[in-house]
Amino acid sequence: GESVGLHLPTLSVQEGDNSIINCAYSNSASDYFIWYKQESGKGPQFIIDIRSNMDKRQGQRVTVLLNKTVKHLSLQIAATQPGDSAVYFCAEIQRKGNAGNNRKLIWGLGTSLAVNP
Amino acid sequence: GAVVSQHPSWVICKSGTSVKIECRSLDFQATTMFWYRQFPKQSLMLMATSNEGSKATYEQGVEKDKFLINHASLTLSTLTVTSAHPEDSSFYICSAGGRGAYEQYFGPGTRLTVT
Repeated sequence: GESVGLHLPTLSVQEGDNSIINCAYSNSASDYFIWYKQESGKGPQFIIDIRSNMDKRQGQRVTVLLNKTVKHLSLQIAATQPGDSAVYFCAEIQRKGNAGNNRKLIWGLGTSLAVNP
Repeated sequence: GAVVSQHPSWVICKSGTSVKIECRSLDFQATTMFWYRQFPKQSLMLMATSNEGSKATYEQGVEKDKFLINHASLTLSTLTVTSAHPEDSSFYICSAGGRGAYEQYFGPGTRLTVT
């Protein structure tokens, strides 16, 4: 299944199916993007990141795709499991005028993923 | 590695009292720590950025006199919600910056309920 982000939609998938979570980002100057998973009552967990000079990056069961032309980011989860049920946020880091460490994250609104057993 | 803890994990307080939340980086030194607030079914909202040994930088609309941030050491930052009101009830999350410009490690969050 697929979803469009930035207004906290809910994506419901069957266990074992692939999930695609989408996110539109705002700033063409952003040079780094991260996907986080947040389970209920917990802090965000890093899933995967991608730099703006890449189009695709793969991790374990997850793939992030970046389309800079349309400023779109997606997270693909293969063989979705009940433990994947959570809210997923994309975040972008924008270049700032002053160089420095730990630049601010700009957060998307999140997508809630529900995995049906 | 890169573990961040928060204490307490949840707190209930009466309106008008102050509450202190601690954020600790357990196995690394964090020059920069971030404080976020999250309301139900919403995204994280950055409140302030704190750098060790200097004053915190607050985001627009966040009252610095109400949300006091202290970052006295490389492993500890505290957020004090002063004169708490029911509308301050929220999930407060801290993160600690790693060595790289893009690294942030998140704490488990603190649920504050003001009655």
